Amino acid sequence: KQEVTQIPAALSVPEGENLVLNCSFTDSAIYNLQWFRQDPGKGLTSLLLIQSSQREQTSGRLNASLDKSSGRSTLYIAASQPGDSATYLCAPPSRGSSNTGKLIFGQGTTLQVKP
Amino acid sequence: GAGVSQSPSNKVTEKGKDVELRCDPISGHTALYWYRQSLGQGLEFLIYFQGNSAPDKSGLPSDRFSAERTGGSVSTLTIQRTQQEDSAVYLCASSLEPISAHEQYFGPGTRLTVT
Repeated sequence: KQEVTQIPAALSVPEGENLVLNCSFTDSAIYNLQWFRQDPGKGLTSLLLIQSSQREQTSGRLNASLDKSSGRSTLYIAASQPGDSATYLCAPPSRGSSNTGKLIFGQGTTLQVKP
Repeated sequence: GAGVSQSPSNKVTEKGKDVELRCDPISGHTALYWYRQSLGQGLEFLIYFQGNSAPDKSGLPSDRFSAERTGGSVSTLTIQRTQQEDSAVYLCASSLEPISAHEQYFGPGTRLTVT
């Protein structure tokens, strides 16, 4: 059974800092992993999808890495801005879900970027 | 183009009543998912549709929950005889296939409150 842990649970940083959000998962037999952000009272916005064959994926100031063998993914946010304040969720698919793709979510990291 | 839409955005119902929640996926997305987000349980998978069939219903918490999808598009999640523990945000997501190669895109959710 896939289990996902995200560290830290909460993070507060001043604007402009570079930061790293960590995600670990128990089942390394995944074919991809997706990172999302969720603003209060809103749905999930997809940030990045990393395929198992990739080690990194970049979108603007965001860079996600994936190390399947160790069951870890990190999301790097460069030059953080107050608009980055949100909860960040990583979601690998569950074990044996090659035909369903159902995602398993961690509890998320709640980020606050102070002006 | 248009994203995933859900209706209603908010629903307040009395314990014991039935409710229907609607999801309109992104046009052309054959994979459709329902998830539930509650304070105590985080984000949990409910059901997966491939076209109009549901090969994975493993996340439905009880037989009071059912879902259908028609025309490979709109999906309805029905909760019969609602209980207070059903209070949560119900999120719908859709994806292209093969699901291993594509992101899931989420709707804004329906906030269900059972009084």
